[in-house]
Amino acid sequence: NAGVTQTPKFRVLKTGQSMTLLCAQDMNHEYMYWYRQDPGMGLRLIHYSVGEGTTAKGEVPDGYNVSRLKKQNFLLGLESAAPSQTSVYFCASRQGTNTEAFFGQGTRLTVV
Amino acid sequence: GQNIDQPTEMTATEGAIVQINCTYQTSGFNGLFWYQQHAGEAPTFLSYNVLDGLEEKGRFSSFLSRSKGYSYLLLKELQMKDSASYLCAVRDQGSGNTGKLIFGQGTTLQVKP
Repeated sequence: NAGVTQTPKFRVLKTGQSMTLLCAQDMNHEYMYWYRQDPGMGLRLIHYSVGEGTTAKGEVPDGYNVSRLKKQNFLLGLESAAPSQTSVYFCASRQGTNTEAFFGQGTRLTVV
Repeated sequence: GQNIDQPTEMTATEGAIVQINCTYQTSGFNGLFWYQQHAGEAPTFLSYNVLDGLEEKGRFSSFLSRSKGYSYLLLKELQMKDSASYLCAVRDQGSGNTGKLIFGQGTTLQVKP
């Protein structure tokens, strides 16, 4: 059982470039989330989805877009990367709102 | 506003007991989670409290007082592998059916021999 898989695991982008981070879960979970983690700031919610075809903004959505066309996949897009988006990105999924969230292994993104 | 406070760093000795505190101020309350995160790895679930009291799970216990907006994670018989960050996360009333969690900044625990 793979759980939550993120690709890629590492990436270096130049300012202004675009990229898409993929999150895939094989647990048939309804809820999926994208967080960023920066030193001293904990995990901050970027966008989330409560089911296939739905997305919503979290705490820090600016500069990011998301899509959930299939239940198992949640994509995070950066249209024009900025150095402030250098961070570790975590995807998480959960079946219900009171159940534990399962996290992917993270994507380390550096924007130069 | 919403705020979750944890100590930034703690140090303890192998074999000892350590208590990591978490205080929160959120718009309502719908449950509190504790996660463990080793350096460079993903957070993993430790415990969930929604009612007042103590939840025990092996060497780890978690306590909640909703009236005080307070929780703690208790780690007994510390082992070197317990060196990690411990994240407190609250599901507030405003999250409705979204399941959104608000995370504290995490407490980095260093266990020394």
